[in-house]
Amino acid sequence: AQKVTQAQTEISVVEKEDVTLDCVYETRDTTYYLFWYKQPPSGELVFLIRRNSFDEQNEISGRYSWNFQKSTSSFNFTITASQVVDSAVYFCALGPGNQGGKLIFGQGTELSVKP
Amino acid sequence: GAVVSQHPSWVICKSGTSVKIECRSLDFQATTMFWYRQFPKQSLMLMATSNEGSKATYEQGVEKDKFLINHASLTLSTLTVTSAHPEDSSFYICSASQQGVSYEQYFGPGTRLTVT
Repeated sequence: AQKVTQAQTEISVVEKEDVTLDCVYETRDTTYYLFWYKQPPSGELVFLIRRNSFDEQNEISGRYSWNFQKSTSSFNFTITASQVVDSAVYFCALGPGNQGGKLIFGQGTELSVKP
Repeated sequence: GAVVSQHPSWVICKSGTSVKIECRSLDFQATTMFWYRQFPKQSLMLMATSNEGSKATYEQGVEKDKFLINHASLTLSTLTVTSAHPEDSSFYICSASQQGVSYEQYFGPGTRLTVT
């Protein structure tokens, strides 16, 4: 079965703190894609990153970084020096390689960054 | 980057009426479009997948006669909620991908439907 678990429903931090959002996935596919999206209060999904299953290199983009570990089926997302504008719901998603593009979303983590 | 639009961005309709939501790919040909539904404080749930020129494939539990999907062209898909009821009130999001690039999915801004 294909599944994505984001165990943290809500996280609250104070500005400038670092925060890690966890994502654990399940799939039997050897080829798949993992994604992170940000959903601010406006509702529009903002694409953050896509990773394919053959690329385990960690990635850093400004204050954002991602840690992909196939051994633990995890794809965690860290925001360094969080800011109030980072407040949003963050979704991790799995795109099975042979499913024609359909995405399976985790339940989402609502991040609240307080000044 | 590729842009997907949705119209309307929000709509209020009375119970029993039908409402149509449009999803357009503005600068690319979308061979596949996806429709998601999101209830408040919940995740996105895929409703159906549509390929241009063919019938949509609905996910288990989604009523195909209630949620009519048409993907008549490479830039337009429509979702019609027929005989809407208050429980259909939700945030509907479409996404689109190009042929051969199914892992690259572009999301529309969503349509908030309220049925009174």
